Amino acid sequence: AQSVTQPDIHITVSEGASLELRCNYSYGATPYLFWYVQSPGQGLQLLLKYFSGDTLVQGIKGFEAEFKRSQSSFNLRKPSVHWSDAAEYFCAVGADSSASKIIFGSGTRLSIRP
Amino acid sequence: NAGVMQNPRHLVRRRGQEARLRCSPMKGHSHVYWYRQLPEEGLKFMVYLQKENIIDESGMPKERFSAEFPKEGPSILRIQQVVRGDSAAYFCASSLWENEKLFFGSGTQLSVL
Repeated sequence: AQSVTQPDIHITVSEGASLELRCNYSYGATPYLFWYVQSPGQGLQLLLKYFSGDTLVQGIKGFEAEFKRSQSSFNLRKPSVHWSDAAEYFCAVGADSSASKIIFGSGTRLSIRP
Repeated sequence: NAGVMQNPRHLVRRRGQEARLRCSPMKGHSHVYWYRQLPEEGLKFMVYLQKENIIDESGMPKERFSAEFPKEGPSILRIQQVVRGDSAAYFCASSLWENEKLFFGSGTQLSVL
């Protein structure tokens, strides 16, 4: 069965510091992988997705993620965070791109220290 | 170009009452998805609808929950005889085609007293 784990419930980083949010998945074949961001009071917004090809994926807002099959991971990174990046981040996995089949992780809340 | 609109933003109901949550998809989108987010959890898929059709309701509880997406008007998620465990954020998303990029609304926070 598919599953996705975000080990960190809450992370605080200083503005300007680098960021890495962890995501591990369980799936038999090559999964479809997504990162979404949820700002306070807002719906989810897709940051990036991986289906195939280059394992380093560039997304919006300066984020990137790397698919590592050997580690079953799809960690999200940003070299320098901004205060506006404070939000909840969700990793998601699916057998395909079907919205009804996507499994979301429990999220990581990112706080930014001034 | 309005995004996905959900109303109300907040809905308070007493146990046993009915809750009706509305979702207007983005203009031109005919695919609507409903998700539920419990505290400290990720979104859980509930139901996928196209105009006048339920395509996949595998995530919907078997009782008290129903959804529709009529030919005209918004999609409605209806919860009858609400219980405290129904308290959650309910998100709607829409897409232009099946399996295309999802656009999410800002959700309805349902609180059951």
